[in-house]
Amino acid sequence: GAGVSQTPSNKVTEKGKYVELRCDPISGHTALYWYRQSLGQGPEFLIYFQGTGAADDSGLPNDRFFAVRPEGSVSTLKIQRTERGDSAVYLCASTLFGGGYNEQFFGPGTRLTVL
Amino acid sequence: AQRVTQPEKLLSVFKGAPVELKCNYSYSGSPELFWYVQYSRQRLQLLLRHISRESIKGFTADLNKGETSFHLKKPFAQEEDSAMYYCARGGSNYKLTFGKGTLLTVNP
Repeated sequence: GAGVSQTPSNKVTEKGKYVELRCDPISGHTALYWYRQSLGQGPEFLIYFQGTGAADDSGLPNDRFFAVRPEGSVSTLKIQRTERGDSAVYLCASTLFGGGYNEQFFGPGTRLTVL
Repeated sequence: AQRVTQPEKLLSVFKGAPVELKCNYSYSGSPELFWYVQYSRQRLQLLLRHISRESIKGFTADLNKGETSFHLKKPFAQEEDSAMYYCARGGSNYKLTFGKGTLLTVNP
């Protein structure tokens, strides 16, 4: 079946603009994670959804970042007033939530460039 | 805070040589540890996890609690093993904390 998909694959925006990044998880996966990967770094956790609710948003860097998952499937990461430091690859991962460390399946990422 | 350290940014070996990618983690109870791999132009994928004690593509990793290490090893490297390797640790809500990664190049 289809894996995790993310759109757009690339996004270039200007400082101060608003952006939305979309993640389509694997069908039936109830858990969804967002990570951010800056150049030369490993992915860093941003937020975790279990179903429709954000169960853990401790990784969001500030209140310019927000994410939703209204129907428990597709998720959108929203960044307001973008800054150059927000430039990174944003990764989404989904997993079946069985109460343990099920494999997280990653999407291809969205490369965000803030000019 | 949980930390995962991969001391080598780059590692280059010749085909057929043994390879070891190092990973150390900050001590805290019983960790859940993983190795993820990213081949060129592909997405990040799970290679192996310590709890399953399996060997994938000839790679193994042993958890050493005394040294807080989870090094990835393969006795005979192949060119197709060239990739970026990330060590990761599971935390609350099963989120992952990744190291910075090691780029492995296997030369012919």
